[in-house]
Parts: sequence; structure tokens; C-alpha cells
Amino acid sequence: AQSVSQHNHHVILSEAASLELGCNYSYGGTVNLFWYVQYPGQHLQLLLKYFSGDPLVKGIKGFEAEFIKSKFSFNLRKPSVQWSDTAEYFCAVNARTTGRRALTFGSGTRLQVQP
Amino acid sequence: KAGVTQTPRYLIKTRGQQVTLSCSPISGHRSVSWYQQTPGQGLQFLFEYFSETQRNKGNFPGRFSGRQFSNSRSEMNVSTLELGDSALYLCASRVGLATDRTDTQYFGPGTRLTVL
Repeated sequence: AQSVSQHNHHVILSEAASLELGCNYSYGGTVNLFWYVQYPGQHLQLLLKYFSGDPLVKGIKGFEAEFIKSKFSFNLRKPSVQWSDTAEYFCAVNARTTGRRALTFGSGTRLQVQP
Repeated sequence: KAGVTQTPRYLIKTRGQQVTLSCSPISGHRSVSWYQQTPGQGLQFLFEYFSETQRNKGNFPGRFSGRQFSNSRSEMNVSTLELGDSALYLCASRVGLATDRTDTQYFGPGTRLTVL
């Protein structure tokens, strides 16, 4: 079975600070990796995804994530956060196996950006 | 292209009642999945439907059921509601081609269910 760990539950940053949110997963096979964001009062939106190829993927709003296979990690980064980045961030994985597309989510990281 | 829509957005029920939630996927998407989001348990997978058949199921009791119609719209039903069923229920759709191992799920706004 898959599992996803997000070790930072609540992060508070000032505007312009750099962000790195940790995500580690556990699964024996090949996975697809995702970061979703949930802004206050809004639905889950896809931030970025990794399927294969370049382990550094870029997403919307200046976010990027790096897949490090040896560490089973897919950390999310942004060089300079804005107040509008205040949201909850979820890392998710699914197995790249036909019929097993259910997403397994981490517990989420609540990011609060102070102006 | 319109996104995933869910109705109703908010629902209040009492213990013992049953409830039906509805989800309309993105046009062209044939797979619909349901997730439960609670503060304590986070986001948990309920089940997935494709071509009117349940293809995958999470670890939820039989009180939770669903179905999918020929137009890919899906409904989720919870019978004999319990206080612990209070949650945000999210629907997600994807294209669903079996040969595409990389298609992405897109989420709707959710239905907030409160059980009193």
C-alpha cells in the first residue's frame, strides 16, 4: 500500500521568503506524483505533477518540485512567496498501474504568509 | 471547458438518515472518483467509477455506495448517517483511458455534509 508523509503541518512565512515543503512517499513500484493546493474557500487545484523525465517540474504560480527517487521525496519549492499563497498544500501519489489510480494524499501543510 | 460540478454544495442531515450527492465530470472524462476530507483523517479515497462500473474501492463501510450513469455523471449515497460522516465530499474526474497511466484527476468544489 502507498503512504505519503508531509512533515510540516503548519508553516508561517513572511512575504518574499523562500518556501520548501517536504513530501515523502512509500511505495514499491513506479508512481505519479502531484501537488494540489486548496485556497481558503476554494476547491483543490492541481499545482504541478511528475510522471517521468526531468525530475525538476515547474507548475503554476512559480512553484516547482523536485523528484528524488533515491529519497522517495517530492518536495515543493517557491523562491519568494506572496500573501496570496496562503493555502493548504497536499502532496499525492498514485501507482502507475492500470486500475490503481486512486490518489493517496498526505495530511497537508497549512501555509500562512504574513504581509 | 466547464470544471467538475457537485450538487448540493451544502447539506445538513440528522443521524440515521440517508443522503445522495451528485457529481458531473468534465466533458469527455469517463472516470469519476470520490474522496472524503475531514480534519482528522485528511483526504481519503472512497471509490472510482468508469463506464458505469466500480473499478476501485477504498476502506469505507458498505453504508457508502455509488453509481455512475451512461453520461458519466455519478452519485454517491451514504445510508444510516453517523456523526462521523460529517465531512467535505470531493468528486474528481479524469479522462480514464486504461492505456494512459498518467492522466490527471481534477477536483470539484465538494459537498459539505453536516450530520447532526
